[in-house]
Amino acid sequence: QKEVEQDPGPLSVPEGAIVSLNCTYSNSAFQYFMWYRQYSRKGPELLMYTYSSGNKEDGRFTAQVDKSSKYISLFIRDSQPSDSATYLCAMTLPGTAGNKLTFGGGTRVLVKP
Amino acid sequence: DAGITQSPRYKITETGRQVTLMCHQTWSHSYMFWYRQDLGHGLRLIYYSAAADITDKGEVPDGYVVSRSKTENFPLTLESATRSQTSVYFCASSTGDPGSAEAFFGQGTRLTVV
Repeated sequence: QKEVEQDPGPLSVPEGAIVSLNCTYSNSAFQYFMWYRQYSRKGPELLMYTYSSGNKEDGRFTAQVDKSSKYISLFIRDSQPSDSATYLCAMTLPGTAGNKLTFGGGTRVLVKP
Repeated sequence: DAGITQSPRYKITETGRQVTLMCHQTWSHSYMFWYRQDLGHGLRLIYYSAAADITDKGEVPDGYVVSRSKTENFPLTLESATRSQTSVYFCASSTGDPGSAEAFFGQGTRLTVV
């Protein structure tokens, strides 16, 4: 079993809909949680970063962390065609060398105009 | 150019050949990483480096060699390429600060082994 599980999708939604993405993990020691966005043929770029349970908002994006359930989510409100990308969750253990990241497999999202 | 750059962007090589993928960063980040990305597996760590001349294995190191003689460069060498090493390779860097877990990624090198 992988340490971090993520539904690969693809997830297809109409423009304006809410996109809901999630990851589950098995290692309760993970403390930093991130969402990366990756456009086709590009490198991943950091979208959201949190290190505690609860919600964090940034514009149309909301990240949720539930450490008791070992479950993290990303919500995209008012989705746009430009949000079409692969979304990767990532997490790390505190004190690991360079904060090595463990990634989920990524969910491909397609927002249709 | 500022940031992290990888070269080449695309490479086709034959089975058994040695090939080196280059990575260069301009931020003077302490840590550098090599990942491979495959369908169904996401990003998997191959090797990482904490500083010049300090490297360590990641999750999938077999068949790969790294070196880091200078802080800004972190080349990845496939000593004898195999078809299973066909993948997209990403280099990344980070400060390694405990409160800042962000890693910055290059554009990737798409390697095909025929």
